Amino acid sequence: EADIYQTPRYLVIGTGKKITLECSQTMGHDKMYWYQQDPGMELHLIHYSYGVNSTEKGDLSSESTVSRIRTEHFPLTLESARPSHTSQYLCASSASGTSGKYEQYFGPGTRLTVT
Amino acid sequence: AQSVAQPEDQVNVAEGNPLTVKCTYSVSGNPYLFWYVQYPNRGLQFLLKYITGDNLVKGSYGFEAEFNKSQTSFHLKKPSALVSDSALYFCAVRNTGGFKTIFGAGTRLFVKA
Repeated sequence: EADIYQTPRYLVIGTGKKITLECSQTMGHDKMYWYQQDPGMELHLIHYSYGVNSTEKGDLSSESTVSRIRTEHFPLTLESARPSHTSQYLCASSASGTSGKYEQYFGPGTRLTVT
Repeated sequence: AQSVAQPEDQVNVAEGNPLTVKCTYSVSGNPYLFWYVQYPNRGLQFLLKYITGDNLVKGSYGFEAEFNKSQTSFHLKKPSALVSDSALYFCAVRNTGGFKTIFGAGTRLFVKA
């Protein structure tokens, strides 16, 4: 089992609320990622980070923001939740390329429902 | 541009029979190729990867995949399917000089007892 954690696992929240999805990993990985996935569908990269104080937007336009102040922590924030944000959010991490380990390790996901 | 195609939305196989889940890719340069599995209400789990070396790679739970450069394919295989193999399988690719990993749309595998 990979050591990457997400909280909460399930969240139901009203429109307009601000929410933060937490993601932490204990593997010392440099790279971290956030994906959005509708149940049973493909993954869409919404944010990624090369390391501390380095974040980039992914391929899917998102109204969320991220921060990377510590290596192990990569929270995702929605300033004003909307029903269109209802989805599953997956956090992942991977080691530096010099290690030869390019695979990503995923957390269990947060299932968000915005009413 | 990188891309991954999983031509089958769903694969059905009887328990004990061999299974194949197909994947083709397009990438500039040499590819890094991956298979991940997702069980219901769970995150993705890494199964196996091809980075370099032998074209046949073995991974978790008895799965293996064969890298075929001329056909730009990386099909996932298992000699004898189990009901517990029923899940959603994702193929992914990254080029050697790149950063982002591109995931396919996923193939749902149903193994019937």
